[in-house]
Amino acid sequence: GNSVTQMEGPVTLSEEAFLTINCTYTATGYPSLFWYVQYPGEGLQLLLKATKADDKGSNKGFEATYRKETTSFHLEKGSVQVSDSAVYFCALFTGGGNKLTFGTGTQLKVEL
Amino acid sequence: NAGVMQNPRHLVRRRGQEARLRCSPMKGHSHVYWYRQLPEEGLKFMVYLQKENIIDESGMPKERFSAEFPKEGPSILRIQQVVRGDSAAYFCASSPPGGSTYEQYFGPGTRLTVT
Repeated sequence: GNSVTQMEGPVTLSEEAFLTINCTYTATGYPSLFWYVQYPGEGLQLLLKATKADDKGSNKGFEATYRKETTSFHLEKGSVQVSDSAVYFCALFTGGGNKLTFGTGTQLKVEL
Repeated sequence: NAGVMQNPRHLVRRRGQEARLRCSPMKGHSHVYWYRQLPEEGLKFMVYLQKENIIDESGMPKERFSAEFPKEGPSILRIQQVVRGDSAAYFCASSPPGGSTYEQYFGPGTRLTVT
């Protein structure tokens, strides 16, 4: 079956530090990959996506590259801000299925 | 364009009571998904509905849980005879007709607490 594994949190960084949140997956077929962000008390918002190998998704300074050879989709940002503090979820979707499969989430805390 | 709306945002029920969670999809969306987020876990798929039809309920517990999406009105997730283990955040998502079902837009969730 499909599964997503992401690094455990919380991850605590100083403002302007470099961020990496690791995500690896197991899937049948060729999944589409996503990063969602959940701010406190809110629902999930789609942050970025990649639908095929070697695609790079990017949004708001965040990037992730779909690496089929390592089955990974690591999230990166060059300079984090306090406002980036949230929980980040990696997820996948395979054609023919109806559901997103999520990782357990990684909490990011950015301090001044 | 209003997003996906869920109510109530917080719901407290005693063991044995019924919980009803409502979800209004985005305007023009005809596909609804329900996910459950248990403490310290990621979201787990429960059910996928289109208007008046359950398409995939592979993630629904076999007992006490049901879902509907009537022709008119919101989608309802119903939990009968709640137990403490039902305490979780329940998220609804919607997607447009004809679109890839991976394009799911999430609501703010209903946080159910069973005392």
